[in-house]
Amino acid sequence: KAGVTQTPRYLIKTRGQQVTLSCSPISGHRSVSWYQQTPGQGLQFLFEYFSETQRNKGNFPGRFSGRQFSNSRSEMNVSTLELGDSALYLCASSLDGANEKLFFGSGTQLSVL
Amino acid sequence: GESVGLHLPTLSVQEGDNSIINCAYSNSASDYFIWYKQESGKGPQFIIDIRSNMDKRQGQRVTVLLNKTVKHLSLQIAATQPGDSAVYFCAENSGETSGSRLTFGEGTQLTVNP
Repeated sequence: KAGVTQTPRYLIKTRGQQVTLSCSPISGHRSVSWYQQTPGQGLQFLFEYFSETQRNKGNFPGRFSGRQFSNSRSEMNVSTLELGDSALYLCASSLDGANEKLFFGSGTQLSVL
Repeated sequence: GESVGLHLPTLSVQEGDNSIINCAYSNSASDYFIWYKQESGKGPQFIIDIRSNMDKRQGQRVTVLLNKTVKHLSLQIAATQPGDSAVYFCAENSGETSGSRLTFGEGTQLTVNP
């Protein structure tokens, strides 16, 4: 079974631009979560989607948004990029997300210049 | 807010020794705990998990211990190998919301010396 796939692997943007990251979960998994990883803040929860609905949301500004499609694939969008948005963005999937292990992708490394 | 923290940022051991990585959590409502291993350039990889109704769980060469009285979690790796070198994260799910929302600790860099 294929693992969690994230695209693109690397991305370079400039301040003020927007970016869309993509995640394909493990087949059969309906919960998709997104995390931001930085050296200073560590791994921080962004949001979780289940059956095309946002079920949980972390403490990030409204510039960070996401969605999930009927095939469970998910995208996250960051608008009006800031230098501080430079990070590794990780997607994780699980069957239904409730107290079970998450399987992570390799992430998208976003650099904002 | 609640957070999960780790006692040591780095741990260096000799190949073949046993490793113990510790984690303290502060949310008494947490009902699910999980350990991840992250190698450079990769996403976190699941190692082992434990629910709050258990004190101990064993996997292949790994054991997780949960002490709810002092809110402490530990990961024990037996016969540590060079391939175990990585950053290890503990995480908790507070159970306050449905679904998944893991709070991660800061991570411990494990270095295994040959």
